[in-house]
Amino acid sequence: GAVVSQHPSWVICKSGTSVKIECRSLDFQATTMFWYRQFPKQSLMLMATSNEGSKATYEQGVEKDKFLINHASLTLSTLTVTSAHPEDSSFYICSASGTSGSGVKNIQYFGAGTRLSVL
Amino acid sequence: QKEVEQDPGPLSVPEGAIVSLNCTYSNSAFQYFMWYRQYSRKGPELLMYTYSSGNKEDGRFTAQVDKSSKYISLFIRDSQPSDSATYLCAMKGGNEKLTFGTGTRLTIIP
Repeated sequence: GAVVSQHPSWVICKSGTSVKIECRSLDFQATTMFWYRQFPKQSLMLMATSNEGSKATYEQGVEKDKFLINHASLTLSTLTVTSAHPEDSSFYICSASGTSGSGVKNIQYFGAGTRLSVL
Repeated sequence: QKEVEQDPGPLSVPEGAIVSLNCTYSNSAFQYFMWYRQYSRKGPELLMYTYSSGNKEDGRFTAQVDKSSKYISLFIRDSQPSDSATYLCAMKGGNEKLTFGTGTRLTIIP
């Protein structure tokens, strides 16, 4: 099946610093990647959608300058949380969907998630 | 009214029982229906994927879609303690965004 790798799985940082989270599709080309945020015991909240080579489309209420998304290749997208604050502490999850030829079109495959703790 | 309604549970059943999980939705444009399983502090794992109406079976799992009633189900046969997780229904139409249910927390009691 399609595999999405997300790194790191857990990161602790000081308030005011920036943190980068990587999301890679290992065995398919991900034309579209998604970034979600999940609070305890709640469902996933879509933050942004990114297509390879294009600027990300952010959901309403998500700060573009705080959550920088880059999707420079068909296998890698990154989320950078800039000037992190304790309220940014959360579980961040990426997902990827591919081209029709790869058989994964219309399906999102998820990474394992990254737990961010901002002190 | 939410686009997708899912009973959050929690749902507890004894090992070996048949589990039935359900979602209803209101958007007629939804064509692709998925069930994901999420263990605590992990990303969702795709269990079943169905396009349009019908049934699909994979091992102990059966997914059903009834577009006329806007109702989808996931059945788990011979439930195991390892099936204890949160189950998320998800669906999409022509665009790429998924709409999720709130998730049902399931516990299988040995």
